[in-house]
Amino acid sequence: GAGVSQSPSNKVTEKGKDVELRCDPISGHTALYWYRQSLGQGLEFLIYFQGNSAPDKSGLPSDRFSAERTGGSVSTLTIQRTQQEDSAVYLCASSLLTKRGYTDTQYFGPGTRLTVL
Amino acid sequence: DQQVKQNSPSLSVQEGRISILNCDYTNSMFDYFLWYKKYPAEGPTFLISISSIKDKNEDGRFTVFLNKSAKHLSLHIVPSQPGDSAVYFCAASRDSSYKLIFGSGTRLLVRP
Repeated sequence: GAGVSQSPSNKVTEKGKDVELRCDPISGHTALYWYRQSLGQGLEFLIYFQGNSAPDKSGLPSDRFSAERTGGSVSTLTIQRTQQEDSAVYLCASSLLTKRGYTDTQYFGPGTRLTVL
Repeated sequence: DQQVKQNSPSLSVQEGRISILNCDYTNSMFDYFLWYKKYPAEGPTFLISISSIKDKNEDGRFTVFLNKSAKHLSLHIVPSQPGDSAVYFCAASRDSSYKLIFGSGTRLLVRP
């Protein structure tokens, strides 16, 4: 079956503009995650969706960042009034239902490379 | 404050030899550790994991060792193959949760 897909693969924007990044998880995966990887850094957790539960937004760096997941499938990460420090690769992952005490394998998409000029 | 550290940004080994990638962590509450491999222009792919109740887990050519007292884990690849050339990330979680904390990665080059 198809893996996690993300679009666009590359996005160049001007400082102050809003951007939307899209993620299509693996069909049937109820958990969805967003991470970002800045240059020379590891992946940084941003947000987690699980079914109909309230998302865990604890990793979002500022209120300029928001994400939603419609119909329990596709997710959109929105960055408002982009800043140069937002430049990074934004990665989406999905997994099967997670239960407390059990970590399901996270399958990653190829990422969206965001460049803010 | 980096809770998971990969202090070697790169490693080069000869084909057929052993590759050893290292990872250190600071949070003693971490109880689950993973290694991911990443090729250029692709997302990371899961490679192998280990729970804190074990000190070794093996899968084919890949073995992960965990030393809890030293807060150190390592990934051994033997024998190394050119196709193993990639960036390797170690990650850790607490209470086996979904929230993974990643290191900054080590770029492995396996020379033919």
